[in-house]
Amino acid sequence: AQKITQTQPGMFVQEKEAVTLDCTYDTSDPSYGLFWYKQPSSGEMIFLIYQGSYDQQNATEGRYSLNFQKARKSANLVISASQLGDSAMYFCAMREGLSGGSNYKLTFGKGTLLTVNP
Amino acid sequence: ETGVTQTPRHLVMGMTNKKSLKCEQHLGHNAMYWYKQSAKKPLELMFVYSLEERVENNSVPSRFSPECPNSSHLFLHLHTLQPEDSALYLCASSQAQGLTGELFFGEGSRLTVL
Repeated sequence: AQKITQTQPGMFVQEKEAVTLDCTYDTSDPSYGLFWYKQPSSGEMIFLIYQGSYDQQNATEGRYSLNFQKARKSANLVISASQLGDSAMYFCAMREGLSGGSNYKLTFGKGTLLTVNP
Repeated sequence: ETGVTQTPRHLVMGMTNKKSLKCEQHLGHNAMYWYKQSAKKPLELMFVYSLEERVENNSVPSRFSPECPNSSHLFLHLHTLQPEDSALYLCASSQAQGLTGELFFGEGSRLTVL
């Protein structure tokens, strides 16, 4: 079974509007971290935001916020006031805690291609 | 100078060639990674090195051979590759072992195998 599911292959949004990119995850580990990355056409993966499974509040970083619904196992990325430069692939990723042991592996979803229209 | 630098950015090779991809991180991190990104597939973790010791090898074929001479440098040696190995190869580094340590990626090396 996929650990990270991004059901939207592509999304369109008008400049200055908000957009939500969906991400659901699957884990039985009570301790995990969720990440969002942006990949523009240049190829570099850019870290956007992090949410820990025990965090009480939704993470925010500037125009990015994470709508974390633990019971539903969803971690949707919300981008407010979209800009043309936001057009890129967006990846959701998860690192599982493996019950306290170290784990380097970051598992990624297939990504969502966001296009911001002027 | 960017945090993680990969060379070459583009590489075309035949199936009988031997080539290497190079990654250098300037962030003082202690873990380095190779990921493979193919079209329409999630990023696949290939190898992880922590303090120059390989800690993860994700069932990668032996035609891919990693090398980590020190904590700042990571190589991926390629030999007798197949056309299906054509992909974007991304190098990354991180500091923390815990859950919160985000990966910092390079811009990738786009490999085409003829």
